[in-house]
Amino acid sequence: NAGVTQTPKFQVLKTGQSMTLQCAQDMNHEYMSWYRQDPGMGLRLIHYSVGAGITDQGEVPNGYNVSRSTTEDFPLRLLSAAPSQTSVYFCASSRSGTAIYGYTFGSGTRLTVV
Amino acid sequence: LAKTTQPISMDSYEGQEVNITCSHNNIATNDYITWYQQFPSQGPRFIIQGYKTKVTNEVASLFIPADRKSSTLSLPRVSLSDTAVYYCLVVTPSNTNAGKSTFGDGTTLTVKP
Repeated sequence: NAGVTQTPKFQVLKTGQSMTLQCAQDMNHEYMSWYRQDPGMGLRLIHYSVGAGITDQGEVPNGYNVSRSTTEDFPLRLLSAAPSQTSVYFCASSRSGTAIYGYTFGSGTRLTVV
Repeated sequence: LAKTTQPISMDSYEGQEVNITCSHNNIATNDYITWYQQFPSQGPRFIIQGYKTKVTNEVASLFIPADRKSSTLSLPRVSLSDTAVYYCLVVTPSNTNAGKSTFGDGTTLTVKP
């Protein structure tokens, strides 16, 4: 089925560890982005990309890195995990950066940092 | 892009029509209004988009007054399965503003039997 696939679905990290959250889409969307959602809160933009080779920071980029080497993939790297990064992470894509046709979201990665 | 304001929560009963209003006082001429639905433990789902007047699809209707400073998402005859968080998001048809639209905290709709 076409859509946005995120892996893993769940992850527990120890403080200081690093890891990569994977995101892939098969809709040939130009725009991809990462959000975090803390309990009872809305979504906050971490990083986004308007095409392969182009990335930019969102509202809360500190502690995270991204790269976009292909149209399909947009991995999010946690450099040195901290308990404050405990959250649910969503990847989203859209036809273009305008999002007037809507974002398609993945099912999320629930990350716990202990 | 325009900041949005929505009620934090709303309650309704099965079979009723629910209207959720979003305020976006600083909306620009070219901006569009989009709405998303999020169920627990799932990512948000795009449900409707509009520019002015009224838009209807199989899920909802979106009403936008002439001044476009607010919009109302209307869910007809809600059921328990419509319990979710609903987000209003203002977007612009320009790639130069990519990443500038921000989700607020949304409106938690609880439908009771």
